[in-house]
Amino acid sequence: DTAVSQTPKYLVTQMGNDKSIKCEQNLGHDTMYWYKQDSKKFLKIMFSYNNKELIINETVPNRFSPKSPDKAHLNLHINSLELGDSAVYFCASSQGGIAEAFFGQGTRLTVV
Amino acid sequence: GDSVTQMEGPVTLSEEAFLTINCTYTATGYPSLFWYVQYPGEGLQLLLKATKADDKGSNKGFEATYRKETTSFHLEKGSVQVSDSAVYFCAGGRTGNQFYFGTGTSLTVIP
Repeated sequence: DTAVSQTPKYLVTQMGNDKSIKCEQNLGHDTMYWYKQDSKKFLKIMFSYNNKELIINETVPNRFSPKSPDKAHLNLHINSLELGDSAVYFCASSQGGIAEAFFGQGTRLTVV
Repeated sequence: GDSVTQMEGPVTLSEEAFLTINCTYTATGYPSLFWYVQYPGEGLQLLLKATKADDKGSNKGFEATYRKETTSFHLEKGSVQVSDSAVYFCAGGRTGNQFYFGTGTSLTVIP
């Protein structure tokens, strides 16, 4: 069983579109994250949810909105996509906020 | 804020060479420290961790020791293999604070 799964794995879309990436974890963790990895492999945290409440909201554009229907899911919705949004987006989860984080396989978003 | 700084790559080694990737941390208090590995096309996997000073994390022949006096957590392996080619991330975190990563070090091992 996949611990942290995110879909889709690849997403190609045009500028201006709205898209969502879904993430689910079956580990019973209380904290979930979204990270953006750029072409140089640099990882930037975007959001963190603890027990369905946002506890970190880094300075990302408000076109990005995380949505957590329950503590096992943290989806990422992106409005009005821009070329600079092209990256790999990783979902992760952990228990207690700092214990080992488990990562999904990533979603490669390409905006054309 | 808290952070980790790791050596920049890319690093290219011959098979069976000794590997060191440096990582130092800046934090108020003592964070837990981690090394993650990302193989091509995959997500990040925890390689090893240490939660307090003088702890040594080890896995798959890799080791790192949490050194408070030098605020370091350097990753070492005595004999690298081609299959170790990946990007390695140093990371840290404390209760109530976010989990943070270094910039990553790309390692290529050539036969």
